[in-house]
Amino acid sequence: ETGVTQTPRHLVMGMTNKKSLKCEQHLGHNAMYWYKQSAKKPLELMFVYNFKEQTENNSVPSRFSPECPNSSHLFLHLHTLQPEDSALYLCASSRGGEGASGANVLTFGAGSRLTVL
Amino acid sequence: GQNIDQPTEMTATEGAIVQINCTYQTSGFNGLFWYQQHAGEAPTFLSYNVLDGLEEKGRFSSFLSRSKGYSYLLLKELQMKDSASYLCAASDSNYQLIWGAGTKLIIKP
Repeated sequence: ETGVTQTPRHLVMGMTNKKSLKCEQHLGHNAMYWYKQSAKKPLELMFVYNFKEQTENNSVPSRFSPECPNSSHLFLHLHTLQPEDSALYLCASSRGGEGASGANVLTFGAGSRLTVL
Repeated sequence: GQNIDQPTEMTATEGAIVQINCTYQTSGFNGLFWYQQHAGEAPTFLSYNVLDGLEEKGRFSSFLSRSKGYSYLLLKELQMKDSASYLCAASDSNYQLIWGAGTKLIIKP
């Protein structure tokens, strides 16, 4: 248990479905992240929230919609996804603030494995 | 452009030593990170280097040469539990992490 919990761990959805991924951190961190991990590819940063404000949207298609109601919770709402969106979606948190120790020492959740049919 | 290169896969023997190399090109540099990811699990932070030289942490050490854009992770006295993917990442001028695709390390008895 890393202190970052993601649910569900596995999700299968059709292209017309709407679903959400949930992430919760119990570390008192102020920054939260969504990453996409595909086999044999580098981690792709999707969204960053610092102190509940979105500070990064890495040209992610609008079929992915993040929500950060407070510093401990992060959601990724999914709708009309494509089969190429099948991947492991990782949530992470960090202390936040300036500097590498605040922004780059990440604690990850175990991920939500998404399959789009 | 920004880029990280690391080998896709390496194999080593239990009890031996293995060195995983990483080269990077970034716009600005604020440090080099290594993360470990066991299959089906979360990546976990291993090390952070911002100055040239070797940082030792138990059986694991990480080295950085800023002038060469080069880092390595050294694992000693390999154990079966060290079988995992090792992710190299460099922090750029905006403290954005640029990730490599990871090195899958297979440990054989």
